[in-house]
Amino acid sequence: GAGVSQSPSNKVTEKGKDVELRCDPISGHTALYWYRQRLGQGLEFLIYFQGNSAPDKSGLPSDRFSAERTGESVSTLTIQRTQQEDSAVYLCASSLKDRGPYEQYFGPGTRLTVT
Amino acid sequence: AQSVTQLGSHVSVSEGALVLLRCNYSSSVPPYLFWYVQYPNQGLQLLLKYTTGATLVKGINGFEAEFKKSETSFHLTKPSAHMSDAAEYFCAVSDDSSYKLIFGSGTRLLVRP
Repeated sequence: GAGVSQSPSNKVTEKGKDVELRCDPISGHTALYWYRQRLGQGLEFLIYFQGNSAPDKSGLPSDRFSAERTGESVSTLTIQRTQQEDSAVYLCASSLKDRGPYEQYFGPGTRLTVT
Repeated sequence: AQSVTQLGSHVSVSEGALVLLRCNYSSSVPPYLFWYVQYPNQGLQLLLKYTTGATLVKGINGFEAEFKKSETSFHLTKPSAHMSDAAEYFCAVSDDSSYKLIFGSGTRLLVRP
């Protein structure tokens, strides 16, 4: 079946502009995660959605970052007034259940470059 | 709090040589442990995971890892490296109480011909 998809694959934007990144999780996966991967670094948790529960936004680095999810489907991550330090690969993942040994399936990522 | 330490940001081996990528974790509860691989310009792919039971876990592409509770380690090995193994490898930990995967900083594997 189809995996996690993300769009766009690459985004170049000017400092101060807003950007919107999209994630389509695997159908039937109730949990959805966003991570950020800066150059040469590991993955940094940003936000987590599970069904209709309130999302865990504890990883969002500033109030310029926000995310939404429609039911158990598409999610969008929005970054307002982008800064150069926002340049990174933004990865989305989904899993069948949200705890324990359940594997997270990752999308290919969106490479964001802020000039 | 859980954490993962991967020793060596870069590891270089010759084709055909043993691959050993180190991962140590800290967790106050029984952990679930994962190794993910990231090929250039691709997303992360699960190599293998430890949940319960047998401590030696076999994964895809000939990789395996052994959970050693006494050493809080989950090192990844492959007997004979192939050029196609060149990638970045991430160790991660979670548990029953948390939905977050905590990742190490990654190890880039270089395979020399």
